[in-house]
Amino acid sequence: AQSVTQLDSQVPVFEEAPVELRCNYSSSVSVYLFWYVQYPNQGLQLLLKYLSGSTLVKSINGFEAEFNKSQTSFHLRKPSVHISDTAEYFCAVRGGYSTLTFGKGTMLLVSP
Amino acid sequence: GAVVSQHPSRVICKSGTSVKIECRSLDFQATTMFWYRQFPKQSLMLMATSNEGSKATYEQGVEKDKFLINHASLTLSTLTVTSAHPEDSSFYICSAHRPGQVNTEAFFGQGTRLTVV
Repeated sequence: AQSVTQLDSQVPVFEEAPVELRCNYSSSVSVYLFWYVQYPNQGLQLLLKYLSGSTLVKSINGFEAEFNKSQTSFHLRKPSVHISDTAEYFCAVRGGYSTLTFGKGTMLLVSP
Repeated sequence: GAVVSQHPSRVICKSGTSVKIECRSLDFQATTMFWYRQFPKQSLMLMATSNEGSKATYEQGVEKDKFLINHASLTLSTLTVTSAHPEDSSFYICSAHRPGQVNTEAFFGQGTRLTVV
């Protein structure tokens, strides 16, 4: 069995401030980890993923996440957020050949 | 661009009627597609795994006769909500994987907002 915990349901932040969205997982097997972003009334878009190799992964729009096996975490960070980053962010895990398991999501609210 | 297309994006129907939602993989063949349901301000709940040419695999608690899934071709899966009720109102999302990449990223459709009145 696998599970994902996103501790913060909502994170308010001012524009150009740094942000961290937390994600912890549990799994009995090796995992693949993902962050997806969802804008209102839209599907999910992959933001970044960890499959193997370097534990620090980056997206093209400035987000990064680090896989920490000992802490079973995959926190998402951005050093300076924009208004356009306002969205729902989902952390997801897949262990072995199982299906994707999603966290409950974190709403990032960026204000001017 | 989008690699998985979902249609319609919004639908309003009357109680008791049926609604069909389509999910298409645009530039690859998908032997497996997934259907999710998302309640307001909540995460995605996997409803079923759609397998091309065979019966769908439903998650526990999901009514097979109410949520009919047909995966008749390698690029199309459909979800039919039969005899819809207001409590079926929700956001439905499908996803698919490129062949041989089930363990990597999933591509999601745009979602369908179903409102049953």
